Amino acid sequence: GIQVEQSPPDLILQEGANSTLRCNFSDSVNNLQWFHQNPWGQLINLFYIPSGTKQNGRLSATTVATERYSLLYISSSQTTDSGVYFCAGVTDSWGKLQFGAGTQVVVTP
Amino acid sequence: GAVVSQHPSWVICKSGTSVKIECRSLDFQATTMFWYRQFPKQSLMLMATSNEGSKATYEQGVEKDKFLINHASLTLSTLTVTSAHPEDSSFYICSASNGFQDNSPLHFGNGTRLTVT
Repeated sequence: GIQVEQSPPDLILQEGANSTLRCNFSDSVNNLQWFHQNPWGQLINLFYIPSGTKQNGRLSATTVATERYSLLYISSSQTTDSGVYFCAGVTDSWGKLQFGAGTQVVVTP
Repeated sequence: GAVVSQHPSWVICKSGTSVKIECRSLDFQATTMFWYRQFPKQSLMLMATSNEGSKATYEQGVEKDKFLINHASLTLSTLTVTSAHPEDSSFYICSASNGFQDNSPLHFGNGTRLTVT
């Protein structure tokens, strides 16, 4: 299967700061998703982004499929942004997701 | 759309007993469901792929006789942890797919936190 590498593994931000999370894939993926896992374990879909750029409020994501990486941007971070951010790639036609190890984000007041 | 419901959200059971977790697709037909396990501070690891009406496909290292999966209908898959032991304590989470034919994102249930005492 594909390898999914996320960086950095941990990130501490002061409220209001901007940051970039990165996701590298060892092989091509059919689909790519970014998730935010809150402290209760819920996985929240952030972006479905096999290619291109999308924005949703203070978050945006860019995937460069030909170079096998994706970036998640957090702007003007808030304490509610704390949690673990996962990227995951789909490699088959049924939606089997391979997750990265995640980036633990802590936003301090 | 694409709402996935998982039940229960948490369960505590005694060692040696069995626990059943349900995963339902509420507004679409899920031909395929996936079961993941997540240990504290770790990522989600795929346990098995469940296809409606056929046997589940287990990932390497996952005991099929311990983690029984049934996908009897297009809206329901169940995971039964048999003869649970403390090392089975984990966060179990499912996702559902309609075959990915419309290139829509996958959605997950809210997970089940299992504690075996």
